[in-house]
Amino acid sequence: NAGVTQTPKFQVLKTGQSMTLQCAQDMNHEYMSWYRQDPGMGLRLIHYSVGAGITDQGEVPNGYNVSRSTTEDFPLRLLSAAPSQTSVYFCATTRPAGGYGYTFGSGTRLTVV
Amino acid sequence: AQTVTQSQPEMSVQEAETVTLSCTYDTSESDYYLFWYKQPPSRQMILVIRQEAYKQQNATENRFSVNFQKAAKSFSLKISDSQLGDAAMYFCAYRVDGGATNKLIFGTGTLLAVQP
Repeated sequence: NAGVTQTPKFQVLKTGQSMTLQCAQDMNHEYMSWYRQDPGMGLRLIHYSVGAGITDQGEVPNGYNVSRSTTEDFPLRLLSAAPSQTSVYFCATTRPAGGYGYTFGSGTRLTVV
Repeated sequence: AQTVTQSQPEMSVQEAETVTLSCTYDTSESDYYLFWYKQPPSRQMILVIRQEAYKQQNATENRFSVNFQKAAKSFSLKISDSQLGDAAMYFCAYRVDGGATNKLIFGTGTLLAVQP
Protein backbone atom coordinates (compact mmCIF):
# COMPACT_ATOMS: atom_id res chain seq x y z
CA ASN A 1 0.00 0.00 0.00
CA ALA A 2 2.05 2.92 -1.33
CA GLY A 3 -0.28 5.79 -0.32
CA VAL A 4 0.87 8.81 -2.35
CA THR A 5 3.72 8.47 -4.83
CA GLN A 6 5.49 11.50 -6.25
CA THR A 7 8.05 11.51 -9.00
CA PRO A 8 10.71 12.68 -9.48
CA LYS A 9 12.27 13.33 -6.06
CA PHE A 10 14.74 15.87 -7.43
CA GLN A 11 14.82 17.92 -10.61
CA VAL A 12 16.90 20.74 -12.04
CA LEU A 13 15.41 22.80 -14.84
CA LYS A 14 16.63 25.66 -16.93
CA THR A 15 14.57 28.82 -17.07
CA GLY A 16 11.87 28.48 -19.70
CA GLN A 17 11.77 24.69 -19.72
CA SER A 18 8.56 22.84 -18.99
CA MET A 19 8.01 19.70 -16.97
CA THR A 20 5.38 17.63 -15.22
CA LEU A 21 5.50 16.51 -11.60
CA GLN A 22 3.68 13.25 -11.22
CA CYS A 23 1.41 12.29 -8.32
CA ALA A 24 -0.44 9.02 -7.91
CA GLN A 25 -2.48 7.72 -4.99
CA ASP A 26 -3.91 4.30 -4.27
CA MET A 27 -6.16 5.35 -1.39
CA ASN A 28 -9.25 5.98 -3.56
CA HIS A 29 -9.56 9.52 -2.20
CA GLU A 30 -11.49 12.06 -4.21
CA TYR A 31 -9.59 15.07 -2.93
CA MET A 32 -6.04 15.76 -4.12
CA SER A 33 -3.92 18.86 -3.91
CA TRP A 34 -0.51 20.34 -4.67
CA TYR A 35 1.45 22.49 -2.24
CA ARG A 36 4.75 24.27 -2.48
CA GLN A 37 7.02 24.75 0.51
CA ASP A 38 9.35 27.72 0.77
CA PRO A 39 11.50 28.74 3.74
CA GLY A 40 9.61 30.91 6.21
CA MET A 41 6.33 30.55 4.34
CA GLY A 42 5.03 27.13 5.30
CA LEU A 43 3.11 25.17 2.70
CA ARG A 44 0.96 27.07 0.24
CA LEU A 45 -1.79 25.58 -1.89
CA ILE A 46 -1.21 25.70 -5.66
CA HIS A 47 -4.14 23.74 -7.11
CA TYR A 48 -6.58 21.18 -5.86
CA SER A 49 -9.13 18.72 -7.19
CA VAL A 50 -12.32 17.40 -5.57
CA GLY A 51 -12.70 14.59 -8.09
CA ALA A 52 -11.93 13.43 -11.61
CA GLY A 53 -12.55 16.23 -14.09
CA ILE A 54 -12.76 18.93 -11.41
CA THR A 55 -9.88 21.23 -10.52
CA ASP A 56 -9.57 24.66 -8.98
CA GLN A 57 -6.94 27.20 -8.07
CA GLY A 58 -5.39 27.59 -4.67
CA GLU A 59 -3.40 30.42 -3.19
CA VAL A 60 -0.46 30.48 -5.65
CA PRO A 61 -1.60 29.04 -9.01
CA ASN A 62 0.29 31.25 -11.46
CA GLY A 63 2.72 29.38 -13.68
CA TYR A 64 1.18 25.99 -12.94
CA ASN A 65 -1.40 23.87 -14.67
CA VAL A 66 -3.24 20.74 -13.50
CA SER A 67 -5.70 18.20 -14.82
CA ARG A 68 -7.48 15.24 -13.24
CA SER A 69 -8.54 12.54 -15.67
CA THR A 70 -8.62 9.72 -13.11
CA THR A 71 -9.14 9.42 -9.36
CA GLU A 72 -5.60 8.12 -8.95
CA ASP A 73 -3.50 10.70 -10.81
CA PHE A 74 -3.06 14.44 -10.39
CA PRO A 75 -0.07 15.79 -12.36
CA LEU A 76 1.27 19.32 -11.92
CA ARG A 77 2.68 21.04 -14.99
CA LEU A 78 5.15 23.88 -15.02
CA LEU A 79 4.56 25.63 -18.30
CA SER A 80 7.71 27.78 -18.50
CA ALA A 81 9.90 27.37 -15.44
CA ALA A 82 11.14 30.46 -13.61
CA PRO A 83 13.68 30.76 -10.76
CA SER A 84 10.79 31.83 -8.49
CA GLN A 85 9.43 28.30 -8.86
CA THR A 86 12.44 26.83 -7.11
CA SER A 87 10.78 25.07 -4.20
CA VAL A 88 9.78 21.76 -2.66
CA TYR A 89 6.50 20.47 -4.03
CA PHE A 90 4.12 18.16 -2.19
CA CYS A 91 1.14 16.26 -3.43
CA ALA A 92 -1.46 15.34 -0.81
CA THR A 93 -4.76 13.55 -0.57
CA THR A 94 -7.55 13.23 1.96
CA ARG A 95 -11.11 12.10 2.41
CA PRO A 96 -13.63 14.86 1.66
CA ALA A 97 -15.30 15.02 5.07
CA GLY A 98 -14.70 14.03 8.65
CA GLY A 99 -11.68 16.20 9.24
CA TYR A 100 -9.15 13.57 8.39
CA GLY A 101 -5.54 14.50 8.11
CA TYR A 102 -3.85 14.64 4.76
CA THR A 103 -1.52 11.97 3.44
CA PHE A 104 1.46 13.52 1.72
CA GLY A 105 3.84 12.29 -0.91
CA SER A 106 7.56 12.42 -0.23
CA GLY A 107 8.02 15.69 -2.10
CA THR A 108 9.92 16.91 -5.14
CA ARG A 109 12.79 19.34 -4.75
CA LEU A 110 12.84 21.50 -7.87
CA THR A 111 15.60 23.91 -8.73
CA VAL A 112 15.24 26.31 -11.65
CA VAL A 113 18.49 27.86 -12.85
CA ALA B 1 -10.03 34.32 5.48
CA GLN B 2 -8.64 31.64 7.72
CA THR B 3 -5.07 32.09 8.85
CA VAL B 4 -2.67 30.11 11.01
CA THR B 5 0.16 31.80 12.90
CA GLN B 6 3.21 30.20 14.46
CA SER B 7 5.15 32.95 16.21
CA GLN B 8 8.22 30.88 17.12
CA PRO B 9 10.44 30.31 14.08
CA GLU B 10 12.90 28.27 16.16
CA MET B 11 12.86 26.52 19.51
CA SER B 12 15.38 24.46 21.43
CA VAL B 13 14.93 21.87 24.16
CA GLN B 14 17.19 19.62 26.18
CA GLU B 15 16.77 15.91 25.77
CA ALA B 16 14.21 14.50 28.27
CA GLU B 17 12.76 17.98 28.92
CA THR B 18 9.36 19.34 27.89
CA VAL B 19 8.75 21.94 25.21
CA THR B 20 5.63 23.74 24.02
CA LEU B 21 5.14 25.02 20.49
CA SER B 22 2.59 27.79 19.97
CA CYS B 23 -0.07 28.16 17.30
CA THR B 24 -2.94 30.58 16.90
CA TYR B 25 -5.53 30.68 14.16
CA ASP B 26 -8.27 32.90 12.91
CA THR B 27 -11.60 31.63 11.66
CA SER B 28 -15.29 32.41 11.73
CA GLU B 29 -16.21 28.73 11.38
CA SER B 30 -17.54 26.70 14.28
CA ASP B 31 -16.69 23.22 13.00
CA TYR B 32 -13.09 22.62 12.04
CA TYR B 33 -10.06 20.48 12.73
CA LEU B 34 -6.57 21.32 13.81
CA PHE B 35 -3.41 19.36 13.19
CA TRP B 36 0.25 19.28 14.03
CA TYR B 37 2.57 17.88 11.38
CA LYS B 38 6.21 16.96 11.85
CA GLN B 39 8.72 17.31 9.04
CA PRO B 40 12.11 15.71 9.81
CA PRO B 41 15.13 16.24 7.58
CA SER B 42 13.83 13.43 5.36
CA ARG B 43 11.21 15.96 4.20
CA GLN B 44 8.32 13.58 4.83
CA MET B 45 5.20 15.19 6.34
CA ILE B 46 4.08 13.14 9.33
CA LEU B 47 0.79 13.69 11.14
CA VAL B 48 1.51 14.03 14.85
CA ILE B 49 -1.86 14.84 16.37
CA ARG B 50 -5.38 15.92 15.43
CA GLN B 51 -7.98 17.92 17.36
CA GLU B 52 -11.67 18.23 16.61
CA ALA B 53 -12.96 21.71 17.44
CA TYR B 54 -16.22 20.45 18.89
CA LYS B 55 -14.38 18.34 21.46
CA GLN B 56 -13.29 20.14 24.60
CA GLN B 57 -10.96 17.35 25.61
CA ASN B 58 -7.39 17.91 24.52
CA ALA B 59 -5.96 15.30 22.17
CA THR B 60 -3.04 13.16 23.31
CA GLU B 61 -0.75 10.81 21.41
CA ASN B 62 1.90 9.24 23.63
CA ARG B 63 4.41 12.02 24.47
CA PHE B 64 2.54 14.57 22.38
CA SER B 65 -0.44 16.52 23.68
CA VAL B 66 -2.21 19.71 22.79
CA ASN B 67 -3.68 22.60 24.72
CA PHE B 68 -6.72 23.61 22.70
CA GLN B 69 -8.34 26.90 23.72
CA LYS B 70 -11.23 27.43 21.31
CA ALA B 71 -12.29 30.84 22.57
CA ALA B 72 -8.73 32.11 22.36
CA LYS B 73 -8.17 30.32 19.03
CA SER B 74 -5.02 28.78 20.37
CA PHE B 75 -3.65 25.30 19.69
CA SER B 76 -0.27 24.61 21.27
CA LEU B 77 1.70 21.35 21.08
CA LYS B 78 3.48 19.97 24.13
CA ILE B 79 6.23 17.42 23.68
CA SER B 80 7.17 15.63 26.87
CA ASP B 81 10.39 13.71 27.51
CA SER B 82 11.91 15.13 24.33
CA GLN B 83 14.03 12.77 22.27
CA LEU B 84 16.69 13.41 19.66
CA GLY B 85 14.31 12.05 17.03
CA ASP B 86 11.85 14.84 17.81
CA ALA B 87 14.15 17.35 16.12
CA ALA B 88 12.22 18.55 13.10
CA MET B 89 10.13 21.34 11.62
CA TYR B 90 6.65 21.37 13.11
CA PHE B 91 3.67 22.81 11.27
CA CYS B 92 0.31 23.72 12.71
CA ALA B 93 -2.58 23.36 10.25
CA TYR B 94 -6.30 24.05 10.08
CA ARG B 95 -9.07 22.46 8.08
CA VAL B 96 -12.76 23.27 7.81
CA ASP B 97 -15.02 20.25 8.12
CA GLY B 98 -16.52 19.13 4.82
CA GLY B 99 -17.30 21.72 2.19
CA ALA B 100 -16.14 21.74 -1.39
CA THR B 101 -12.52 22.63 -0.90
CA ASN B 102 -11.19 20.75 2.11
CA LYS B 103 -8.22 23.06 2.13
CA LEU B 104 -5.53 22.51 4.72
CA ILE B 105 -4.06 25.85 5.79
CA PHE B 106 -0.59 25.83 7.30
CA GLY B 107 1.38 28.05 9.60
CA THR B 108 4.94 28.99 8.75
CA GLY B 109 6.47 26.33 10.97
CA THR B 110 8.67 26.05 14.06
CA LEU B 111 12.08 24.44 13.79
CA LEU B 112 12.73 22.40 16.92
CA ALA B 113 16.26 21.50 17.95
CA VAL B 114 16.85 18.87 20.63
CA GLN B 115 20.11 19.20 22.55
CA PRO B 116 21.72 16.04 23.97
